[in-house]
Amino acid sequence: GENVEQHPSTLSVQEGDSAVIKCTYSDSASNYFPWYKQELGKRPQLIIDIRSNVGEKKDQRIAVTLNKTAKHFSLHITETQPEDSAVYFCAASRGTSGTYKYIFGTGTRLKVLA
Amino acid sequence: DGGITQSPKYLFRKEGQNVTLSCEQNLNHDAMYWYRQDPGQGLRLIYYSQIVNDFQKGDIAEGYSVSREKKESFPLTVTSAQKNPTAFYLCASSMTGPYGYTFGSGTRLTVV
Repeated sequence: GENVEQHPSTLSVQEGDSAVIKCTYSDSASNYFPWYKQELGKRPQLIIDIRSNVGEKKDQRIAVTLNKTAKHFSLHITETQPEDSAVYFCAASRGTSGTYKYIFGTGTRLKVLA
Repeated sequence: DGGITQSPKYLFRKEGQNVTLSCEQNLNHDAMYWYRQDPGQGLRLIYYSQIVNDFQKGDIAEGYSVSREKKESFPLTVTSAQKNPTAFYLCASSMTGPYGYTFGSGTRLTVV
């Protein structure tokens, strides 16, 4: 069935280093890939997204890359800061046009060490 | 509160009891969703609705029911048939099409 695998489940980096989180999806019809950040006890918030007609998208320290052939996409955070510590979820769209619902990865807990 | 409000924040359910979680949005979004979040399992789709008076089952709909009588509201009822209801429940809304969700702040349900 449809599935999104996310790795790693936990990631610790030193402040200022880069962090990379990878996701693989199974549905070749997926065409929209959002990333969410969830701080402890708070709601998930959309931080960046990418559509299937684009290979890379950047927003300040955050970037997402998409490889449609391999069916994987990645989140890159550069110059990490303590406030980047959170759980990050990737997601992939599924369903036919007009019925956009997402399947989520299992999350990556990022810890940025000061 | 971000345009989408969930209540209550915490809810306790006794065995055999039905409880209803509220979700209201003022974003004029057509689509609304309910997800369940368990540790280590990410978010799993319970029900979703693309339009008023219409809704579809997600991946884990058993033991849950919803209604969509108004565009702004999408309440979720956790029935006594749901054997393991303890979880964090998130409501979300979005514009129709490939757009990200706006999530509510969640309801933490505990069986006592």
